[in-house]
Amino acid sequence: GEDVEQSLFLSVREGDSSVINCTYTDSSSTYLYWYKQEPGAGLQLLTYIFSNMDMKQDQRLTVLLNKKDKHLSLRIADTQTGDSAIYFCAESSDRGSTLGRLYFGRGTQLTVWP
Amino acid sequence: EAQVTQNPRYLITVTGKKLTVTCSQNMNHEYMSWYRQDPGLGLRQIYYSMNVEVTDKGDVPEGYKVSRKEKRNFPLILESPSPNQTSLYFCASSLKASGRASDTQYFGPGTRLTVL
Repeated sequence: GEDVEQSLFLSVREGDSSVINCTYTDSSSTYLYWYKQEPGAGLQLLTYIFSNMDMKQDQRLTVLLNKKDKHLSLRIADTQTGDSAIYFCAESSDRGSTLGRLYFGRGTQLTVWP
Repeated sequence: EAQVTQNPRYLITVTGKKLTVTCSQNMNHEYMSWYRQDPGLGLRQIYYSMNVEVTDKGDVPEGYKVSRKEKRNFPLILESPSPNQTSLYFCASSLKASGRASDTQYFGPGTRLTVL
């Protein structure tokens, strides 16, 4: 299977920026995603980026993609206590035998301190 | 409201007692999938279905069965549950299995299963 790696924990103070990092190994990855899981809830798609893009911004969220290094990051500006959750990096490909499958990282637990 | 529903949300059972976790979607999605989530391991795919009567193994299929007799339903069956199947289970669906973000997966709320 494809490997998606991310650090397990991140703590920040309210109002600071958070940066969650992810690396992946599949060079045929077409889309890369960030999902958010709040306590006791399912996964919610936050944002995604197509593999031929370098950056995508959506309000407080900025996604950066370095395709050469297979490195993806999610920056949350002005982090709030409501952003405390587990964030999953995931990738999919629109070709080959893994068509349609999502491969997830282990998740990063973001804790925001007031 | 477009959604993926799972039942039950919580289940405590004993080793060897057959159980079924139901999953239903109302979006006419072709692709459905089951994942399990374990601490520090992220989500791992158990089984998936590209369409009615088409199912295939994911990364961790041992001890599980599925069926896809109708488009909207994709039950997960544990014929003889064991303690190592204690986990949080998610069902997901997408319009098609294209791998494109427009067909990304919608997740159910999860079923927390404990096998004693």
